[in-house]
Amino acid sequence: GAGVSQTPSNKVTEKGKYVELRCDPISGHTALYWYRQSLGQGPEFLIYFQGTGAADDSGLPNDRFFAVRPEGSVSTLKIQRTERGDSAVYLCASSPGQETKQFFGPGTRLTVL
Amino acid sequence: GENVEQHPSTLSVQEGDSAVIKCTYSDSASNYFPWYKQELGKGPQLIIDIRSNVGEKKDQRIAVTLNKTAKHFSLHITETQPEDSAVYFCAASSEGGSEKLVFGKGTKLTVNP
Repeated sequence: GAGVSQTPSNKVTEKGKYVELRCDPISGHTALYWYRQSLGQGPEFLIYFQGTGAADDSGLPNDRFFAVRPEGSVSTLKIQRTERGDSAVYLCASSPGQETKQFFGPGTRLTVL
Repeated sequence: GENVEQHPSTLSVQEGDSAVIKCTYSDSASNYFPWYKQELGKGPQLIIDIRSNVGEKKDQRIAVTLNKTAKHFSLHITETQPEDSAVYFCAASSEGGSEKLVFGKGTKLTVNP
């Protein structure tokens, strides 16, 4: 079966623009996570969905960041008024449910000029 | 919140030697400890994990040990091969809550032929 997929693989945008990053989890996985990885660092948690609802959004850095998962499958991470400091690799992971392993996608490399 | 420290930041070994990477965590409620391997330009790949009711787990050349009292866990790779070269991340999670993973900063392992 297919793993977690993320699109686009690379995104270059200008400061102040709006971007959307998409994650397709493994089919049947109910839990979905977004992480952000800066160069030379480990992934940092952003938000966790169980089904359609955001069960924990404590990692979102500010109100410019928002994520949705309207049908409990595909998720979109939305960033408004991008800043140069938002440049990073945005990783998505999914798992079959609680107390189980997280499987990561290849990430989207976001560059804000 | 949870804090995970990982050492060393870089590790260079000769092919066939063993490699050990160590992590400590701060939250005594953490009960799930996965290890991920990340190759350049790819997402993290789960290689082994351990839960707090187990002290050691092995999978072929890879083993993980956990000391709950001291709040540290280690990854052991035996008979290293050049294809083991990558960045390795440890992580900790408190299952039953948001399941979010808190990662260490990573260890860059180089296996020299």
